[in-house]
Amino acid sequence: DIQMTQSPSSLSASVGDRVTITCRASQSINAYLNWYQQKPGKAPKLLIYAASSLQSGVPSRFSGSGSGTDFTLTISSLQPEDFATYYCQQSYSAPRTFGQGSKLEIK
Amino acid sequence: QVQLVQSGAEVKKPGASVKVSCEASGYTFTDYYIHWVRQAPGQGLEWMGWVSPNSGGTNYAQKFQDRVTMTRDTSIRTAYMELSTLISDDTAVYYCARDRAGYSSTWGQGTLVTVSS
Repeated sequence: DIQMTQSPSSLSASVGDRVTITCRASQSINAYLNWYQQKPGKAPKLLIYAASSLQSGVPSRFSGSGSGTDFTLTISSLQPEDFATYYCQQSYSAPRTFGQGSKLEIK
Repeated sequence: QVQLVQSGAEVKKPGASVKVSCEASGYTFTDYYIHWVRQAPGQGLEWMGWVSPNSGGTNYAQKFQDRVTMTRDTSIRTAYMELSTLISDDTAVYYCARDRAGYSSTWGQGTLVTVSS
């Protein structure tokens, strides 16, 4: 199975900050990498697919980059509604493993 | 609009089975795979497998291979996930999600399954 490791596991930031979350795969997954946002008690929401493609309706302050084994999710200017947990997921091969999550909290 | 609506919460005893449904609307049901993902309380997301509504084919995570069955009924646009021989560690919210080209763009609201004696 491909292991996905996110960092940091948690972080505190302020509204307006630029935030970057990283995700590393245990082997190359090309660009088969998705990012999801999850708020408490809610289903995950797709933000980025294929490493850098912005899902329809997602604000442009979210962006993704990377290929191979190293990927990043960047939020250019944090908004109050962005405080949530973020997960990466590889779709290169089954099982479609997720990272352990990165919880973004208000400073 | 595109929607996945799941069945309600369940309470089961250890050793029992649970069957969760996921009804699709707003798109061609057979055009998208249905994936199942679970989340134990306070934990991360865990992928369980997928079912193809078109062919009925399945692909299960090795961890669940012996206990999970994913099916679909195209006449009522509904996918199902059945998990057997439940243990307390199976207590979780179970999600279905539609997937094509490698990403899950729409998710159900989740079904809480509680396993308790």
